[in-house]
Amino acid sequence: DTEVTQTPKHLVMGMTNKKSLKCEQHMGHRAMYWYKQKAKKPPELMFVYSYEKLSINESVPSRFSPECPNSSLLNLHLHALQPEDSALYLCASSSRGTTDTQYFGPGTRLTVL
Amino acid sequence: KQEVTQIPAALSVPEGENLVLNCSFTDSAIYNLQWFRQDPGKGLTSLLLIQSSQREQTSGRLNASLDKSSGRSTLYIAASQPGDSATYLCAVRKTSYDKVIFGPGTSLSVIP
Repeated sequence: DTEVTQTPKHLVMGMTNKKSLKCEQHMGHRAMYWYKQKAKKPPELMFVYSYEKLSINESVPSRFSPECPNSSLLNLHLHALQPEDSALYLCASSSRGTTDTQYFGPGTRLTVL
Repeated sequence: KQEVTQIPAALSVPEGENLVLNCSFTDSAIYNLQWFRQDPGKGLTSLLLIQSSQREQTSGRLNASLDKSSGRSTLYIAASQPGDSATYLCAVRKTSYDKVIFGPGTSLSVIP
């Protein structure tokens, strides 16, 4: 099973709302990633968790708060977002072995009103 | 700072043609290079991953090559099909613990 799942598929929220994105994988991968992708642009890395610890934070605003409750789950908590945060949010996972292929989920399409 | 570029930005070919997509990177000290495909509004699908010690990888009609010294990789697609229409992105990683740097992608359209 090489599947990464993400929920919800679509999310519309106001600037005062609090919401969360969820990502799950059962491949035994110990690295998990959040990316943000704007239309017609490549994905931009936001966060990397390695062995459930935050290892990379690409200077992301604090209104985005990642959480890795266990090795299979990755959350992204959203609060007080801006309309420019509207984008496709992608989760990915990889092993730390010799292949290190990143497997991506289908993404959550986020719209901030 | 690693920079990744892809040429061409867009490509339209008739069905059945063989084609080559190009990826260039500025820092040759890479850990691996990965090619992805992305359909509109969807996630990325990994196509091929080439480790720094490898020269090429093949999967079905796809062949990816890597020339670290010149900072280049190519993705060769044989006998293209309309289902191959998508955006193709290459991505490089400097070490196993570094972030992945994506190129801007090549938008491919295969005309029936």
